[in-house]
Amino acid sequence: EAQVTQNPRYLITVTGKKLTVTCSQNMNHEYMSWYRQDPGLGLRQIYYSMNVEVTDKGDVPEGYKVSRKEKRNFPLILESPSPNQTSLYFCASSLGGKETQYFGPGTRLLVL
Amino acid sequence: AQSVTQLGSHVSVSEGALVLLRCNYSSSVPPYLFWYVQYPNQGLQLLLKYTSAATLVKGINGFEAEFKKSETSFHLTKPSAHMSDAAEYFCAVSTYGTYKYIFGTGTRLKVLA
Repeated sequence: EAQVTQNPRYLITVTGKKLTVTCSQNMNHEYMSWYRQDPGLGLRQIYYSMNVEVTDKGDVPEGYKVSRKEKRNFPLILESPSPNQTSLYFCASSLGGKETQYFGPGTRLLVL
Repeated sequence: AQSVTQLGSHVSVSEGALVLLRCNYSSSVPPYLFWYVQYPNQGLQLLLKYTSAATLVKGINGFEAEFKKSETSFHLTKPSAHMSDAAEYFCAVSTYGTYKYIFGTGTRLKVLA
């Protein structure tokens, strides 16, 4: 089954404790992206990747890091989480930047 | 720079009534436009997309949208609402060569029995 998976689905952590949210797709897509969803703000793009070893900032990259060492994986790293990073995070993938995006189920993060 | 504006964060319609969700975009180059739907506690899924082939685009579940360049709009419609249409709807824009994807703030649709 074609899908985008994210882990964990739910995470509670404390300020400053490094965490990684994993994202994996099995559709051989070149383009992958991370979004955060906040009430009233819709989805905002954090980082995106056009291919392996090629990444770029979206609209809200501060406090986040990404890497793309393999085509299928695109982890999101919060090196020192803060409460304002409490949000619902989605990973997505597509054939290209202007194509339909396929979304993962989301990761709900609470930073205390 | 690209941007998307969705008018109305909440829309309520009666079952069987017309659904109209508004989306206006800003783009200096021809855009690619999308409507996505998000059901409670789920990720987003594509309803329909405009990629310049035809101005009237038909999607899943009876939804359609019309691209109007003169009005910079891409409104989503459905002739007759069903209870199962209750969800949050997002308009999004991308342009060739930028790889950025911009979403609107969303419209939550409520269908009244």
